[in-house]
Amino acid sequence: AIQLTQSPSSLSASVGDRVTITCRASQGISSALAWYQQKPGKAPKLLIYDASSLESGVPSRFSGSGSGTDFTLTISSLQPEDFATYYCQQFNSYPSALTFGGGTKVEIK
Amino acid sequence: QVQLQESGPGLVKPSETLSLTCAVSGYSISSGYYWGWIRQPPGKGLEWIGSIYHSGSTYYNPSLKSRVTISVDTSKNQFSLKLSSVTAADTAVYYCARHDLDKGGFDYWGQGTLVTVSS
Repeated sequence: AIQLTQSPSSLSASVGDRVTITCRASQGISSALAWYQQKPGKAPKLLIYDASSLESGVPSRFSGSGSGTDFTLTISSLQPEDFATYYCQQFNSYPSALTFGGGTKVEIK
Repeated sequence: QVQLQESGPGLVKPSETLSLTCAVSGYSISSGYYWGWIRQPPGKGLEWIGSIYHSGSTYYNPSLKSRVTISVDTSKNQFSLKLSSVTAADTAVYYCARHDLDKGGFDYWGQGTLVTVSS
């Protein structure tokens, strides 16, 4: 199965900061990558799909980029409601297994 | 608005079978999409368990495949998860979600239900 490695596992940032999270795949997955935001006690929320497409209703300060094995999620100007854990997820096609990265916790500095 | 709601026992004994159901409203399962189960152990990351299409085609995580069965009941607009021979390692919040293959991601999620494996 394809493994996804996120870095860093956690980071501290201030409101207004530009934040970048990286996700690396163990083999090439073209652009078949999604990003989620999860707040404590809540279900994950889809932010980005196809590596760079913004899900409907998601603020434009979120953006995704990359293809092949290296991907990034960028928050251009961190807002108070953005403090959460972020996960990447790859999916090529069934019957291939679907996998998630280990998560990146964004905390208040 | 698509809504999903998990239901089932919150406590399961070791070696027994965990059974959960996901009721879908606002969208007919028969109309398409895959429907999946994802779990999250307390304080840990997300793990895909498996997915099902309305036709009954299923795909499972290879690490759980020998213990997992996912089924669909289109007449009740719901799908279900059975995980056999559970241990404490199966204690987790279990989510059901809609898998949009065009996006590759899960776009609608249930609120999740905590299942604890303990005697």
